[in-house]
This record gives sequence, structure tokens and C-alpha cells, in this order.
Amino acid sequence: AQSVSQHNHHVILSEAASLELGCNYSYGGTVNLFWYVQYPGQHLQLLLKYFSGDPLVKGIKGFEAEFIKSKFSFNLRKPSVQWSDTAEYFCAVHPDGGATNKLIFGTGTLLAVQP
Amino acid sequence: KAGVTQTPRYLIKTRGQQVTLSCSPISGHRSVSWYQQTPGQGLQFLFEYFSETQRNKGNFPGRFSGRQFSNSRSEMNVSTLELGDSALYLCASSVDRILNTEAFFGQGTRLTVV
Repeated sequence: AQSVSQHNHHVILSEAASLELGCNYSYGGTVNLFWYVQYPGQHLQLLLKYFSGDPLVKGIKGFEAEFIKSKFSFNLRKPSVQWSDTAEYFCAVHPDGGATNKLIFGTGTLLAVQP
Repeated sequence: KAGVTQTPRYLIKTRGQQVTLSCSPISGHRSVSWYQQTPGQGLQFLFEYFSETQRNKGNFPGRFSGRQFSNSRSEMNVSTLELGDSALYLCASSVDRILNTEAFFGQGTRLTVV
């Protein structure tokens, strides 16, 4: 079955620390990949997406992610986190070759950044 | 422009009752998807509607149903509520295929079943 794994459930960092959140998926076909963020009390927002081309994708607020096809991974990175990055982060896969808009999400990673 | 609007924001129901949740997509968006979000499970896909037709369905029991109207507004219904149905129900809308755009999420309806 298609699935997405986020191995870090809770991450606590100090401001200015570097961030890397892991995301692995299981699906043999072509995939489109997303990272969404949910700030406290707010709706889910798109951070970045990968459809094709350069496997290093840059998103909003200084986030980037690298698609490594051989490892079925799409890890999220940020060189220096801020207190305002405290949120829950979700990796998602769009596996249906574009036929529908179904997204498969990971269970999320709760990031707490300490000032 | 206005975002995705979900009503009501909060709901408390008793086991065995039924509930209807509403989602108004962004103007011009024809695709509406529903997700159930619970702690530890993340977001799980319920179904997607496009131009009033269900285009895909997740692995949920038949108690969960939905529909889409000609103005793209969508409703989902859960009958014979169980305690395990307590969750945040999210609606996402997009213009058409997610490849060409992105999915915009509403703030959700928090359903508590007691």
C-alpha cells in the first residue's frame, strides 16, 4: 500500500539551529511531493512542492527540500530556524499520476523552536 | 480573495447521531477533497469531488459520505457517529488537477463525539 513515513514525531530546537525533517514514501510510480505546514490555530499551508526537474526545491520562508529518487526520500531542511517556525510539518505524496487530487500524508512532525 | 470556508468550526455530537459538515471552496475551484486529521494518524483522505462527481474515495466505512453541488460547495455526512469519529475534518480545494496548481485548505471542523 502507498504510504508516507515521517520518522521524527517531535523535534525541539533552539533558534538558529539547523533543521532536517525526514520523509520517505513507498510508491513505485511517478510521484509529486509536497511539504505542508500547520501553524498553531491556522490552516494547512503549502511550503513547497516537487513535480519534476531540479530535485532541490526551494519554498517559502527559507525552507528547501531534496528529492532523492533512489532513496524514496523528500527531506525538508532549513539552515537556521526561528521561533516563528514552531508548527507541525506534514509531508505528502500525490501518487495517482494526476488523475485525481488525492494526497497521502505522513503523520506529521511537531517542531518546537525555543527562543 | 476569500479562502476555503468550513462550517461549523466546532461541533459536539452524541454517539449514534449523524452530522453534516460544509465546505465552500475558493471561487473558481472545482475540486474539493476531504480529510480526517487525528493525533498520531495525520491526515487521511476521505473523498474528492470534481464537478459534482466523486472522483476518488478513501478507505472509510460507508457511514462517511459526501456530495458536491453545482456551485462547487461540498458537504460531508457521517451517520451513526462513533467515539472514534472525533477528529478535525479538513476540506481542500483546487482549481483542477493538483499538478497544475496547489490545494488550499480550510481551517477545519472540529468534531467531538461524546
